[in-house]
Amino acid sequence: ELKVEQNPLFLSMQEGKNYTIYCNYSTTSDRLYWYRQDPGKSLESLFVLLSNGAVKQEGRLMASLDTKARLSTLHITAAVHDLSATYFCAVDIGGNKLVFGAGTILRVKS
Amino acid sequence: EPEVTQTPSHQVTQMGQEVILRCVPISNHLYFYWYRQILGQKVEFLVSFYNNEISEKSEIFDDQFSVERPDGSNFTLKIRSTKLEDSAMYFCASTKLVSYEQYFGPGTRLTVT
Repeated sequence: ELKVEQNPLFLSMQEGKNYTIYCNYSTTSDRLYWYRQDPGKSLESLFVLLSNGAVKQEGRLMASLDTKARLSTLHITAAVHDLSATYFCAVDIGGNKLVFGAGTILRVKS
Repeated sequence: EPEVTQTPSHQVTQMGQEVILRCVPISNHLYFYWYRQILGQKVEFLVSFYNNEISEKSEIFDDQFSVERPDGSNFTLKIRSTKLEDSAMYFCASTKLVSYEQYFGPGTRLTVT
């Protein structure tokens, strides 16, 4: 059974600090997605990582994918309060079937 | 910007009743999906649909569930006889092609009493 594990599951950080969220998965895949979810809202696509070594950046967020290690990271640089949300990684295991991690609840304190 | 829409936003039903959740995917998208998220838990894949057929389905998607694209715009999820454990947020998603990012709708919160 495919496992997608995120850690940490909860992250409380100060504004201005840096941190990394990790997403490990247990099967071969070269497609991984990061989504953001605000409370009571839908999933907003952040990054699409389609190959080994892919790195994408948008504002204070940067995502990378290492398919050999079966690991993706979401790095937060100089966090701001507006980044507070739940972040999910999702692994495509074929046919666009996504398996989601449990999510990381991020709280940025001012 | 085109978006996926879902109706209703909240549906309350009694156990054993049938419900139909509706979605309008983005117009030029070809692949459609349903996911659910039980409160406070992770998002779970239910079913994918392409060319008027189910492509993939999960173990959750049993005989009580069905999907349909009754016309050129709507994509529906039917639960024949709801159970308490069907209470969740149901998200519809669509994508233009395989391996492209999926765009999610705002969700329908289903409450089964």
